[in-house]
Amino acid sequence: LAKTTQPISMDSYEGQEVNITCSHNNIATNDYITWYQQFPSQGPRFIIQGYKTKVTNEVASLFIPADRKSSTLSLPRVSLSDTAVYYCLVGAPYNFNKFYFGSGTKLNVKP
Amino acid sequence: DADVTQTPRNRITKTGKRIMLECSQTKGHDRMYWYRQDPGLGLRLIYYSFDVKDINKGEISDGYSVSRQAQAKFSLSLESAIPNQTALYFCATSPGQGSANTGELFFGEGSRLTVL
Repeated sequence: LAKTTQPISMDSYEGQEVNITCSHNNIATNDYITWYQQFPSQGPRFIIQGYKTKVTNEVASLFIPADRKSSTLSLPRVSLSDTAVYYCLVGAPYNFNKFYFGSGTKLNVKP
Repeated sequence: DADVTQTPRNRITKTGKRIMLECSQTKGHDRMYWYRQDPGLGLRLIYYSFDVKDINKGEISDGYSVSRQAQAKFSLSLESAIPNQTALYFCATSPGQGSANTGELFFGEGSRLTVL
């Protein structure tokens, strides 16, 4: 399993941009980087997925440098409802049996 | 209605009892998964199934068994529950490789199991 390293927790204030960085030094050529969001007592929810450079959707942006050994999830103008745990996963698409969910990053957004 | 439905949502049982957690999905996905989450920790894979006849052990399968009754149904059983199996259990689905999809996992709302 390709393991990742993320900060255990982060604090932010409403309206700020939040960047969560994930380290994945052993990423393989076929691996993609996927981020999930989990609220308490709910199942994780897909946020964004990318292979290289930059990916943007209506929720977030994902920045991946050329060496792909790390990635950064960027959440623009967070609100209280963005308080959640964010997981960075690395693996080949569809091979979810080989995806490793670490402890994630607990984001706490304050008023 | 949820696309991935788990029953029961909450269950309290005693050590040694047999417990079954059920998962059904309306997404038409071939692949289904059972995960376990302990407080403050990430999810760990228990079992997964790529189709009705293909069932595989995950990272922590000891003490668990599964049954894929149909494409839409995947059940997790604890033959003789023990207290350290107290956890939040999630079922998930994903399309098969080659399908037109985003490579996402779709999770149910979870089943909270307490073993006394």
